[in-house]
Amino acid sequence: EAAVTQSPRNKVAVTGGKVTLSCNQTNNHNNMYWYRQDTGHGLRLIHYSYGAGSTEKGDIPDGYKASRPSQENFSLILELATPSQTSVYFCASGDPDRGTEVFFGKGTRLTVV
Amino acid sequence: GQQVQQSPTSLVLQEGENAELQCNFSTSLNSMQWFYQRPGGSLISVFYNPSGTKQSGRLTSTTVIKERRSSLHISSSQITDSGTYLCAMATNTGKLTFGDGTVLTVKP
Repeated sequence: EAAVTQSPRNKVAVTGGKVTLSCNQTNNHNNMYWYRQDTGHGLRLIHYSYGAGSTEKGDIPDGYKASRPSQENFSLILELATPSQTSVYFCASGDPDRGTEVFFGKGTRLTVV
Repeated sequence: GQQVQQSPTSLVLQEGENAELQCNFSTSLNSMQWFYQRPGGSLISVFYNPSGTKQSGRLTSTTVIKERRSSLHISSSQITDSGTYLCAMATNTGKLTFGDGTVLTVKP
């Protein structure tokens, strides 16, 4: 079974602070993704990556950075967290452009106060 | 405009009834995937279906890539089928975009 592990699962951060969300996959997938999910907005793509060293902007990248130091790890970085970034964040891995389905982590609930 | 349109937005069924969920795509796609999500839960892959028809138990997915559409059929619905069903499309560069989902409620 494909495994995508997110950490932390819950996080409370202060406004203006730096937050790093981590994601690890053991599926040897090239592509990894970060989404946020809010009521009324569905799942929105923040950043994604084609492989180690690459990051691509998704549909809502403002206020977020991403880092893909290795095939297995993909981080989402909030340099200056704001209350509007309070959300549930999901990481995923998969190669749907190459015939492989996408698998999701369990999510991280982030609250910025 | 939204690239992935799902319909209906919500659906209420009596246990035992069938459901048909639709997904339409406004741009060319390489593949698509159906997911299931319980409130507060993560996304579980239901079907990865680049084309054609796939069946798993009471669930059947049909994708026609050239017509940019996919459907998910649930037969003999059960209370445990309740939740949100999301479809997503992948481009040939691997970008994965979601629809807003269909909220299914199955009542006893």
